[in-house]
Amino acid sequence: AQSVTQLDSQVPVFEEAPVELRCNYSSSVSVYLFWYVQYPNQGLQLLLKYLSGSTLVKGINGFEAEFNKSQTSFHLRKPSVHISDTAEYFCAVSGPNRDDKIIFGKGTRLHILP
Amino acid sequence: GAVVSQHPSRVICKSGTSVKIECRSLDFQATTMFWYRQFPKQSLMLMATSNEGSKATYEQGVEKDKFLINHASLTLSTLTVTSAHPEDSSFYICSARVVGGAGNIQYFGAGTRLSVL
Repeated sequence: AQSVTQLDSQVPVFEEAPVELRCNYSSSVSVYLFWYVQYPNQGLQLLLKYLSGSTLVKGINGFEAEFNKSQTSFHLRKPSVHISDTAEYFCAVSGPNRDDKIIFGKGTRLHILP
Repeated sequence: GAVVSQHPSRVICKSGTSVKIECRSLDFQATTMFWYRQFPKQSLMLMATSNEGSKATYEQGVEKDKFLINHASLTLSTLTVTSAHPEDSSFYICSARVVGGAGNIQYFGAGTRLSVL
């Protein structure tokens, strides 16, 4: 079974500053990793995913994440945030099989300060 | 990209009535769709897995007679909240998994906010 931990429930950051949202996972098998973003009163939008290959994954809206197997982490980063990045961000993990469920973290609210 | 349409986006109903929520994959086929419930400021809770042409698989603690799921085609799954009560008020989100796609990728609908008076 897999699990995922998002260490920060809320992250305040000034506009145009860099941000890192932390995510750690646990699994006894190989995993797929995802970051989703949820804007207020909306569903989830896939930001980026790691399935295999390069450990640095680039996504939409200028976000990127790095898969670190030794530290079992998949932190999300953006070099310069904008007010429009205000949202809830969910890290998620899945096993390698098609029937494996996606397990979501509790979410991190990114609060952009003017 | 893969688009999932969820309808309605918001519904207000009286206690005791039933509400149907539709989830459609617009540009791809989905043999498997998922229904989640999200409480305020919390993560998504998987309610059930909807499989095209067969019975849905419900998570522990979810009443299958309360939350009826039908997945009659490769592009449509419906969730019916039967005899809704105020405690059923929540944000319901569906997702669909791409058939034959690499990895276990799900695409989400925009969600339905249900308010039961």
